[in-house]
Amino acid sequence: GAVVSQHPSRVICKSGTSVKIECRSLDFQATTMFWYRQFPKQSLMLMATSNEGSKATYEQGVEKDKFLINHASLTLSTLTVTSAHPEDSSFYICSAARLSPYNSPLHFGNGTRLTVT
Amino acid sequence: EDQVTQSPEALRLQEGESSSLNCSYTVSGLRGLFWYRQDPGKGPEFLFTLYSAGEEKEKERLKATLTKKESFLHITAPKPEDSATYLCAVQAIVRQAGTALIFGKGTTLSVSS
Repeated sequence: GAVVSQHPSRVICKSGTSVKIECRSLDFQATTMFWYRQFPKQSLMLMATSNEGSKATYEQGVEKDKFLINHASLTLSTLTVTSAHPEDSSFYICSAARLSPYNSPLHFGNGTRLTVT
Repeated sequence: EDQVTQSPEALRLQEGESSSLNCSYTVSGLRGLFWYRQDPGKGPEFLFTLYSAGEEKEKERLKATLTKKESFLHITAPKPEDSATYLCAVQAIVRQAGTALIFGKGTTLSVSS
């Protein structure tokens, strides 16, 4: 069964509004979670690394004031797209890894399809 | 710069027609190479992790192999339900656990009956 839950699966919002996406690790603690964005027929591109209890680390070119990440607990990270615009429409996917065993693979949520009108 | 290149971009097979998908990579110290399956509108589903050259892993009709420069995903006698996009990703050696993966663009496999 799913080990990483992402909500909502789809969201449509108007330009200028904000949208929050939740990512939960269901049966393990994840001090680190990752947020990716995927455009049609493109690879998953890492946006940011979310660390529990500290500030997220953003990849080059990703606006930290636009994509707000909060990792408030060991099982929950949230991504808020602020003042969304049509170009922010994309498929957003989170992932998390168990810390033990050390070589655990990253598990992914089922993604959130964001459409900004 | 760490990079992953997958080929072909798309592959059409008849049911039962075996083939291989390629993943070439360059990474500053490989911690692991991962294969995922992604269905339309879904997140990637974990298939395999390979850690060192010469390693092989199998799961049903899929077999993954690894060399120092590339990995292959062999599909034996595929079925229509194997149709999906197969993603290859690498993870570099890091000081701490849980480092992000670098993905290729994927190979979209279509298997017709």
